[in-house]
Order: sequence, then C-alpha cells, then structure tokens
Amino acid sequence: GQNIDQPTEMTATEGAIVQINCTYQTSGFNGLFWYQQHAGEAPTFLSYNVLDGLEEKGRFSSFLSRSKGYSYLLLKELQMKDSASYLCAVMDSNYQLIWGAGTKLIIKP
Amino acid sequence: IAGITQAPTSQILAAGRRMTLRCTQDMRHNAMYWYRQDLGLGLRLIHYSNTAGTTGKGEVPDGYSVSRANTDDFPLTLASAVPSQTSVYFCASSAGTGENQPQHFGDGTRLSIL
Repeated sequence: GQNIDQPTEMTATEGAIVQINCTYQTSGFNGLFWYQQHAGEAPTFLSYNVLDGLEEKGRFSSFLSRSKGYSYLLLKELQMKDSASYLCAVMDSNYQLIWGAGTKLIIKP
Repeated sequence: IAGITQAPTSQILAAGRRMTLRCTQDMRHNAMYWYRQDLGLGLRLIHYSNTAGTTGKGEVPDGYSVSRANTDDFPLTLASAVPSQTSVYFCASSAGTGENQPQHFGDGTRLSIL
C-alpha cells in the first residue's frame, strides 16, 4: 500500500529552527510537495522537489532523498505566524497526490 | 482576485438528504479535484477531473458524484447523505496533471450530517 509518515505534532521556539520529516512509500514517484495549512483555512503550496537535494525559498527549505524515501521541511527564524500544520504529499505513478496526515507545529515565544 | 470559490462555507444537513457542494475556479485550470479532510487523516481524494468533460474516481468515491460540464465548475453531489460523510470538503485545481503542477485550494465547506 501507499503510505506517508510525518510526526503528529512538534513544538519550537520563536526565532529557532525546526525540521519536519516525511517518509514515504508509494507506487511510483513524480515529485513531493509541502503545503502549509493554518487552522480552519485551506492548504497553501510551499515547495516542490523531484530531484535529490535541497531547495531553498527564503526562510523555508525542502530536502529530498529519493533512494531513502525521505524528505524534510526546514523552517528558519521561526515566527509566531508559522504556527500551522505542514502537509507532505507525494505524486504517485498516476500523477495523483498521496497526502500525509500533517504535522502540527506549535511556536512558543 | 483569481482563485477557487466554494459554496456553501458550512452546512448542517439531515441524513438522507441530497446536497450539492459548489466549486468554481477562474484560473482556467484544466484539472480539478475534490478532497475530504478528517481529523488525524491526510486529505483523501474523492473524485477528480483532468479536463472538462472527463471525471475519475479517487480513493473514497462511494456516495459521491461529480460532473465537469465546463472548465470552471466542478460540483460535488451527495445523493443521500450519511453521518460518516461529516467532514471538511476542499475543492482544488491545477493547471495540468504532470510533474510540478501544484494544486490550489478553495477555503473549504464544513459539512455536518445529523
């Protein structure tokens, strides 16, 4: 079966760095997406990786290792507004997105 | 502002009733999707449409139907609602269906079936 695993919840301090991990087992791979979802709102696109390595976008970076079935989202200089759920999704061989349950990130002052 | 509009925002519905959730996008995206989001679970795909005039079944299609008569609209119908269909429903769209085609989401419909 297809499976995406992420930690359920993480806590970090304002100004610090946090890494949210995602491991996956899917039928085929056509890229991995990270989304941010604030409570009660729609998911919004953050990043896309299809090749191994690190993609950087401002305070957010996303890493992919296809051989290990592993990705992480790195958030630097954490701000209170970064409190949200972070969703990992893999595009399978049928170009359908398989979603993890999300990691709820709590930022403390 | 371009985007996806879903209606209604929320609804309480008696079991056995028929309900249509509306979704309209103005980005001229080819592909559209319906997901449900339940606590502790990832988004689950109900139905999708890769282009106007075509639809396909996702992971959890039973009890739901869709149509795609034109590019902009993708309504989701619950023929006879049951309590297990209580959920938050998100409509999404993407320009295409290949690699690096992020999906863009509407604000969701919160549906309670009593």
